[in-house]
Amino acid sequence: SQTIHQWPATLVQPVGSPLSLECTVEGTSNPNLYWYRQAAGRGLQLLFYSVGIGQISSEVPQNLSASRPQDRQFILSSKKLLLSDSGFYLCAWSVPKKEAFFGQGTRLTVV
Amino acid sequence: GENVEQHPSTLSVQEGDSAVIKCTYSDSASNYFPWYKQELGKGPQLIIDIRSNVGEKKDQRIAVTLNKTAKHFSLHITETQPEDSAVYFCAASSGGSTLGRLYFGRGTQLTVWP
Repeated sequence: SQTIHQWPATLVQPVGSPLSLECTVEGTSNPNLYWYRQAAGRGLQLLFYSVGIGQISSEVPQNLSASRPQDRQFILSSKKLLLSDSGFYLCAWSVPKKEAFFGQGTRLTVV
Repeated sequence: GENVEQHPSTLSVQEGDSAVIKCTYSDSASNYFPWYKQELGKGPQLIIDIRSNVGEKKDQRIAVTLNKTAKHFSLHITETQPEDSAVYFCAASSGGSTLGRLYFGRGTQLTVWP
C-alpha cells in the first residue's frame, strides 16, 4: 500500500533563517506531488505541484520554492523565512486522474 | 481562478441528527469535487468524492450531491456520531490528470454532542 511521509512534524525557525521540508511517498511510481499551506482558520492553498522529476509548477508567488530531485521525493525550501511563512504545510500525492492523499503535515512557526 | 465558498463555518448537532454542509464553485471547468475530513493537528483525509458526470454518491452514512447548473455541491452526514466531530473541507478541481490540484473552501467545524 502507498504511504506518504512528511518531516519534521513541528518546526520553530527564526526570521531570516533557511527552510527545508521533505516529503516522500512509498508504494507508487511517478506520482503527482503537491505542496499546500494552511493558514490558521483557513482552507488549504496549493503552493506547488509536480508531475515528474525536475518538473515544478508554482501556483502562487511567494518566498518559497520546491524541488523534486527524485521520483518520490518533494522538497519545500526557503532561503530566508518571513513571519508570514508560518502555517501548516501539507504534502500530497496522487496518480493521474485519481484522488489526492495528504501527509500529516508540518507545523512551521517563524519567530 | 476557481473560488470555492463553504457554509456554514461552524455546525453543532446532536448525536443521531443529520448534518449538511454546502459549497459553491465559480469555474464551470471544475469537474471533480472531493470532501476531506481533518482532525486536529492531522492532515486531511478523503471521505468521499464526486465527478461531474454523477449527480449523487453515497457511502454508508455519507452522501454528496452535485448540481452542475447551479454550481453547488453538498455533503450530507446522517446518524451523526461524536467521532464525526472534525473540520470538513470541500474542494474543486479541473485538473484532468492532476486531480490533486484542488481549490478548497474555508472549512466547517462540525461538533456532534452526545
